[in-house]
Amino acid sequence: GDSVTQMEGPVTLSEEAFLTINCTYTATGYPSLFWYVQYPGEGLQLLLKATKADDKGSNKGFEATYRKETTSFHLEKGSVQVSDSAVYFCASGAGGSYIPTFGRGTSLIVHP
Amino acid sequence: DTEVTQTPKHLVMGMTNKKSLKCEQHMGHRAMYWYKQKAKKPPELMFVYSYEKLSINESVPSRFSPECPNSSLLNLHLHALQPEDSALYLCASSQRQDFEKLFFGSGTQLSVL
Repeated sequence: GDSVTQMEGPVTLSEEAFLTINCTYTATGYPSLFWYVQYPGEGLQLLLKATKADDKGSNKGFEATYRKETTSFHLEKGSVQVSDSAVYFCASGAGGSYIPTFGRGTSLIVHP
Repeated sequence: DTEVTQTPKHLVMGMTNKKSLKCEQHMGHRAMYWYKQKAKKPPELMFVYSYEKLSINESVPSRFSPECPNSSLLNLHLHALQPEDSALYLCASSQRQDFEKLFFGSGTQLSVL
């Protein structure tokens, strides 16, 4: 079946460092791809999305590009802040469905 | 109002108890979802309601019984749960089942003793 694989955390960075969180997917067809963020004690929030190959999703300084050739959707941010500390979930919506199937999540900890 | 509100925030119940989780949204969304999330794991889809009808049941045990009384409300009735059912239960909604943006509530942390 379809699945999403994320790098294992936690990822620990200093403020203003560059962030990459890797995500790869397996799917039949062409899924939509998402990044969700979960702050402590809260539910998940959609951070960004891409629905077809070469699309770039972006929001709040975060970016991810849908790479069909490498089946990847890596999350990047040029300069992280302490307030970015959270758990980040990569997700796919298989077969044209937008109901996300989530990866394991990657915890990001940003120190001042 | 862009919120999905879940009550209670915390619930402790015994294995013989019957309890209900509630979820409410006033965004006019016609699809609502229940997810289960264990600690340090991703959320797992349980049920989807579309236009108040159950459209997806991910082979969830019958001790979990969903209900959608109207387009704004979603309940999850719990009976005879097991300790391994302890988890964070998340409700979500979207404009339609085929719409890509889900709005999540902050969840109910359930402990089964």
